[in-house]
Amino acid sequence: QKEVEQNSGPLSVPEGAIASLNCTYSDRGSQSFFWYRQYSGKSPELIMSIYSNGDKEDGRFTAQLNKASQYVSLLIRDSQPSDSATYLCAVTGSQGNLIFGKGTKLSVKP
Amino acid sequence: DVKVTQSSRYLVKRTGEKVFLECVQDMDHENMFWYRQDPGLGLRLIYFSYDVKMKEKGDIPEGYSVSREKKERFSLILESASTNQTSMYLCASGFYYGYTFGSGTRLTVV
Repeated sequence: QKEVEQNSGPLSVPEGAIASLNCTYSDRGSQSFFWYRQYSGKSPELIMSIYSNGDKEDGRFTAQLNKASQYVSLLIRDSQPSDSATYLCAVTGSQGNLIFGKGTKLSVKP
Repeated sequence: DVKVTQSSRYLVKRTGEKVFLECVQDMDHENMFWYRQDPGLGLRLIYFSYDVKMKEKGDIPEGYSVSREKKERFSLILESASTNQTSMYLCASGFYYGYTFGSGTRLTVV
């Protein structure tokens, strides 16, 4: 069974700090990697995608991928209370479907 | 933006009823997916489809079936609803660059 592992949290950071979210995956064949944000009672929203090793930046968000270590991370700079949500890591499975981690709950304290 | 529309936001059904959950996407995507999301269990794939008339079982297909008669529409069918199918159901559409979710249907079976 291919797996995606995340710390469930909650991860608590003060406003303005950097939040670091981590994810490991078991399938070395995975090609695409995603971070979704899910507010309570809402559906997941795609915030970052990354396909090659290294860093990808988009505004306050940076996704990092290390395929050799089977590791994906998301950094949120200058964290805001509105960033408080559950963050889901997802990787593509062998059939092109997405396999999700169970999510890390982030709380940003004012 | 891709729009994925799920027909009902909240649904209450009785045990043994046949339940239809509808999902429509407007971006001509070939890939469509049905997930359910439960606390502590995360997102689990029920069924997916890569083309009209095609369907593939996901991780938890038991008690469900699907229909894809048109490219834009992917229906999830609960043949005989049971209380353990009370959950949030999420439809998604997309390709390797990412998937967009509908707003979800919270189904309660009583």
